[in-house]
Amino acid sequence: DAGVIQSPRHEVTEMGQEVTLRCKPISGHDYLFWYRQTMMRGLELLIYFNNNVPIDDSGMPEDRFSAKMPNASFSTLKIQPSEPRDSAVYFCASRSSSGPYEQYFGPGTRLTVT
Amino acid sequence: KNEVEQSPQNLTAQEGEFITINCSYSVGISALHWLQQHPGGGIVSLFMLSSGKKKHGRLIATINIQEKHSSLHITASHPRDSAVYICAVRRSQGNLIFGKGTKLSVKP
Repeated sequence: DAGVIQSPRHEVTEMGQEVTLRCKPISGHDYLFWYRQTMMRGLELLIYFNNNVPIDDSGMPEDRFSAKMPNASFSTLKIQPSEPRDSAVYFCASRSSSGPYEQYFGPGTRLTVT
Repeated sequence: KNEVEQSPQNLTAQEGEFITINCSYSVGISALHWLQQHPGGGIVSLFMLSSGKKKHGRLIATINIQEKHSSLHITASHPRDSAVYICAVRRSQGNLIFGKGTKLSVKP
C-alpha cells in the first residue's frame, strides 16, 4: 500500500495566483481530511469528506478556499487567489469507517506564497 | 482556552531518561490520538485510545476519561525519539482537534 499521496510536495507561488493541492487517499478509505499546519496555530482541520461528500467545512478560512472530491480516489484543495498568509504545510489524511479509526497522513505540501 | 492543552511545550532529556507528556481536554470525545511528527515533517499515528492503556515497544499511552487527561510515556529514551508529539481528540462527528504539540529533544 502506497499510503496517502499528496502532490506537489513543495509549491512556491506569487500572491494572487491560483494554487491547487492534490491528494489520493488510501484505497478503501471512505473518510478524507484536509489539515493546515502553521507555526502560530499548529494543526487545524480545514474540511473533511465521507464517501466523497463534504461533511464539515467550518474550518475553511474563507471563500478563497475550496475543496472537492470528485471520486473516492482523488481530492483537491484550491486557493484562489492565494495570499502570503496562506503559507503553511497542508496535510491530507484518510481513514476507514470500518475501523481501525486511526488516520493516515500524507507527507504534506509545503506552500509558500510570496 | 484551547480545547486541547499539552504540557510541557518543550522538553529536553538525556538519553535513557523516562519521559512523560501530558494532554488535557475540555470537550466530549470518542477517542484520543497521539501523533508523532519528525523534523522532516511527516506525521505518524502512534496510538488511538478511548480507555485504559496501550503499549507499543517503549511507548505507553494512558487515558483517564473521567479526568479528561491522557499521558504519553517513553521509557529508555533515545535521540531518535526526538520529534514533536501531538495530542488530538476525536469528536463524535469524526473531526480531530489538536493540541499545540510537545517538542522533545533527547540528547546523547
